[in-house]
Amino acid sequence: EIVMTQSPLSLPVTPGEPASISCRSSQSLLHNNAYNSLDWYVQRPGQSPQLLIYLGSNRASGAPDRFSGSGSGTDFTLNITRVEAEDVGVYYCMQALQTPWTFGQGTKVDIK
Amino acid sequence: QAHLEESGGGVVQPGTSLTLSCAASRFSFSGFGMHWVRQAPGKGLEWVTLIRSDGSNKFYADSVKGRFTISRDNSKNTLYLQMNSLRVEDTAVYYCAREVAGSAFDVWGQGTIVTVSS
Repeated sequence: EIVMTQSPLSLPVTPGEPASISCRSSQSLLHNNAYNSLDWYVQRPGQSPQLLIYLGSNRASGAPDRFSGSGSGTDFTLNITRVEAEDVGVYYCMQALQTPWTFGQGTKVDIK
Repeated sequence: QAHLEESGGGVVQPGTSLTLSCAASRFSFSGFGMHWVRQAPGKGLEWVTLIRSDGSNKFYADSVKGRFTISRDNSKNTLYLQMNSLRVEDTAVYYCAREVAGSAFDVWGQGTIVTVSS
């Protein structure tokens, strides 16, 4: 099983400031040297999870352009250029390279 | 806009069975792999199982293997999760999700709550 490790687990943020979350996998998520099977989700309070980034760096339809994903192999980052109040929630990375698909522990983002 | 709606959750005793359903609408259900993901109270997300678009292949988390069965009826645009020998640790919100790009869940249902308690 591929283990996903996120940091930090708690991230107080200031609106208008940038923020980033790190995700590390226990083995490379690079598939056929072509793409990384790594996604980012946000679960806002009381809601179902929502896809933000897929295949490492592709922004999902409807995801604001202040969100971006980067990284390759075993180290990935979700960046928010300027945090907005609506960005509070828990952020998860997930690997889809092999079953069982596995999630990180989640990073709780809240406003300072 | 694509939509998924789960149903069938409830409160059951350990050792009993329950079947969840996920009704799909506003997209071509038969063209997509489908998954179940669960979330225990106050905990993170846990992938449970997947089924390919034509039902040919199914995969399960070790925690549910041999107890849960995923299936689908493409003629009814519905996904199912048959849960047998339920345990207290199966208590969770169960989400169905649509797979896209072989790698991500782009549509989620609102979830259905399963509580296993004596």
